[in-house]
Amino acid sequence: KQEVTQIPAALSVPEGENLVLNCSFTDSAIYNLQWFRQDPGKGLTSLLLIQSSQREQTSGRLNASLDKSSGRSTLYIAASQPGDSATYLCAVEYGNKLVFGAGTILRVKS
Amino acid sequence: DAGITQSPRYKITETGRQVTLMCHQTWSHSYMFWYRQDLGHGLRLIYYSAAADITDKGEVPDGYVVSRSKTENFPLTLESATRSQTSVYFCASSVGGYSPLHFGNGTRLTVT
Repeated sequence: KQEVTQIPAALSVPEGENLVLNCSFTDSAIYNLQWFRQDPGKGLTSLLLIQSSQREQTSGRLNASLDKSSGRSTLYIAASQPGDSATYLCAVEYGNKLVFGAGTILRVKS
Repeated sequence: DAGITQSPRYKITETGRQVTLMCHQTWSHSYMFWYRQDLGHGLRLIYYSAAADITDKGEVPDGYVVSRSKTENFPLTLESATRSQTSVYFCASSVGGYSPLHFGNGTRLTVT
């Protein structure tokens, strides 16, 4: 069964800290992996997409890495800000199907 | 405005009633999806569509019906609502291939 696990489930950090969110998946035959952000009461916003042939993607203060062989991805957030507070979801694409992790709830304290 | 819109934003219905959730996108994306989000289960795919008149089941399709007569619309119908279908429903679209998924803001459905 294709499963996606995110650790930790919740994280609270002081403003300015660098942090890493983890995502692991059981089936390495992926098409791509996406990281999303979800604010309370809102839909999901795509942050980064890493194709299966890529090792990492960067957007501003965000950097996502992918290690297919070990079934892992990390989302690195540099110099965290209170506005980064949200739920971050990892999703792995297999064909036309996206399998989502349960998410990491991030709180950045000012 | 360009984007993906869902309606209604909130809906309360009774057990056994039929209810339709609407989804409209302005990008002419080929692919559209319906997900439900529940505590403890995360996001689960209900149905998806690769193009107009082409639909396919996802992980949890039972009790739901979809249609896609036009590229821009992808309504989701609960034929006879049950309490277990109380959830937040998200519609999403993408160009397909290696492209990101774009989500609507969701419909919170409560079945009493």
